[in-house]
Amino acid sequence: GQQLNQSPQSMFIQEGEDVSMNCTSSSIFNTWLWYKQDPGEGPVLLIALYKAGELTSNGRLTAQFGITRKDSFLNISASIPSDVGIYFCAGRTYNFGNEKLTFGTGTRLTIIP
Amino acid sequence: EPEVTQTPSHQVTQMGQEVILRCVPISNHLYFYWYRQILGQKVEFLVSFYNNEISEKSEIFDDQFSVERPDGSNFTLKIRSTKLEDSAMYFCASSTGAEIEAFFGQGTRLTVV
Repeated sequence: GQQLNQSPQSMFIQEGEDVSMNCTSSSIFNTWLWYKQDPGEGPVLLIALYKAGELTSNGRLTAQFGITRKDSFLNISASIPSDVGIYFCAGRTYNFGNEKLTFGTGTRLTIIP
Repeated sequence: EPEVTQTPSHQVTQMGQEVILRCVPISNHLYFYWYRQILGQKVEFLVSFYNNEISEKSEIFDDQFSVERPDGSNFTLKIRSTKLEDSAMYFCASSTGAEIEAFFGQGTRLTVV
């Protein structure tokens, strides 16, 4: 099946630092998505990328869809305490209205006061 | 803002018992999904459902699993004879079918003892 490798697995940073994480896949996806998950909650969509090479920002978040459509990165600038959580990339396949998400293994972000 | 709601938030059941997890998708959505997340692991696709039929299912979705849309609002996941390894968070999601990403519910934590 399709595999998404996400790195790093975990990050310990100080408040105010920038964060970078990435995802690579053995398969091509139509869309790349980045989600954040807080403990006991469902994934919340942060950024969606639709075209190869696309660079998209959402506030302090920036993500890019790789040219090969097999990779993506997410950057968070000037981290704040509420950025703590687990970040998942997901590759989306879309077929006549039906979609399927393949999730990465997650990056756990911890902010040291 | 419309949301996907799931009940119960936490279910504890004995091994071998049947459980039904319930979801109320967003009202104008046509495509429905179940995903599973074993504690500490990534989110995994189980099944997609459209027009009262399963569109796609993963190898995890074996004969002990079934889905149903019993009325115009609910979407359910039934596990016939639960096993210890079924313990996980189960997320329902729904989408319109246009190329807009699915919305996730808050999840049901299933604990099999």
